[in-house]
Amino acid sequence: AQSVTQLGSHVSVSEGALVLLRCNYSSSVPPYLFWYVQYPNQGLQLLLKYTSAATLVKGINGFEAEFKKSETSFHLTKPSAHMSDAAEYFCAVSDGGNTGKLIFGQGTTLQVKP
Amino acid sequence: NAGVTQTPKFQVLKTGQSMTLQCAQDMNHEYMSWYRQDPGMGLRLIHYSVGAGITDQGEVPNGYNVSRSTTEDFPLRLLSAAPSQTSVYFCASSLTRTVNQPQHFGDGTRLSIL
Repeated sequence: AQSVTQLGSHVSVSEGALVLLRCNYSSSVPPYLFWYVQYPNQGLQLLLKYTSAATLVKGINGFEAEFKKSETSFHLTKPSAHMSDAAEYFCAVSDGGNTGKLIFGQGTTLQVKP
Repeated sequence: NAGVTQTPKFQVLKTGQSMTLQCAQDMNHEYMSWYRQDPGMGLRLIHYSVGAGITDQGEVPNGYNVSRSTTEDFPLRLLSAAPSQTSVYFCASSLTRTVNQPQHFGDGTRLSIL
């Protein structure tokens, strides 16, 4: 069965510093992986997705993620944090079946300090 | 471009009351789903639909009913509200249930059961 683990429920960085949000997955089939961002009192917005075309995936707002099969990881990075990046971030994997279900990690709250 | 629209945004119910959470999308998406979001647990699938007239259970369906009479609408019914159903509910849609399709989320309904 597919599962997702996000390491660290809270991450705090200074403005301008590197952002690294960790995601590890478990999947019995080739995975399709997603990162979503949730701003306060809003729904989830797709940041980027991995669908096996390229291991380094670029998303919106300067974020990118690298798929590493050997490490079963799909970590999200951004070279320089901005105050507007403060939000909750979710990693998700498709369940591989025919339900269309996404399996979400627990979420990581990113705090950006001035 | 409305996307996925959820109403109401906030609701307080008493234990035992029933209510319907509305969800509508204007993107002609086949696939629609309902998730609940609880602290530290990510999002969990309640029910989903792969087209008008077709619905199925997700991970946590107990206490909820759905129907899909049109492509656009996918309401979620709480039959007899319980405090354990206090949560944030998200409706999502995608073009199809294919595993690489990103899902589009509404802004959520914040529900409290007293």
